[in-house]
Amino acid sequence: GAVVSQHPSRVICKSGTSVKIECRSLDFQATTMFWYRQFPKKSLMLMATSNEGSKATYEQGVEKDKFLINHASLTLSTLTVTSAHPEDSSFYICSVPGQGAGQYFGPGTRLLVL
Amino acid sequence: GNSVTQMEGPVTLSEEAFLTINCTYTATGYPSLFWYVQYPGEGLQLLLKATKADDKGSNKGFEATYRKETTSFHLEKGSVQVSDSAVYFCALSEGTGNQFYFGTGTSLTVIP
Repeated sequence: GAVVSQHPSRVICKSGTSVKIECRSLDFQATTMFWYRQFPKKSLMLMATSNEGSKATYEQGVEKDKFLINHASLTLSTLTVTSAHPEDSSFYICSVPGQGAGQYFGPGTRLLVL
Repeated sequence: GNSVTQMEGPVTLSEEAFLTINCTYTATGYPSLFWYVQYPGEGLQLLLKATKADDKGSNKGFEATYRKETTSFHLEKGSVQVSDSAVYFCALSEGTGNQFYFGTGTSLTVIP
């Protein structure tokens, strides 16, 4: 069964609104989760590392005020895209570190901003 | 720093053809190497992995060998099927719980 879930799987919103995406670790606790963004026909780009109990660590070029990350518990991290614009339309994927050096990826959330 | 370079696609093969997708990497330490597959409309799934030099990862007929001397982790399959049509990502990670670095992905289409 799924180890990591994301909700919603797909969302369409109007420009200027905010959208919250949830990432849940179903089978185990995760002090760290990762958020990626996947552009069409492009690779996954790490956006930020979500840390339970502390601030997220953002990659260079990622606006922390636009992409708000909250690691509310050991099984839940949320990514909020604030004041979304069409250029924010993308596929957002979270991951949870697994055993060894592996990771479990969520199924992704497709965001379309009109 | 860390990076992964993957051959660009798209790749189109006939069923039962031999597949090779090249992947090379740069890393500051001793990474683990992975191949992930993304089927249409689905999330990333781990296909295979290798955690140290000369290890061979294998799954579903796919294989890749961790070559430290050439910093490569090429994906191969002897006979592809239509159901193998997907996007394949090469990735590396250094250490447990650390972030992944992905290649750009290679789209594979297998035609009957």
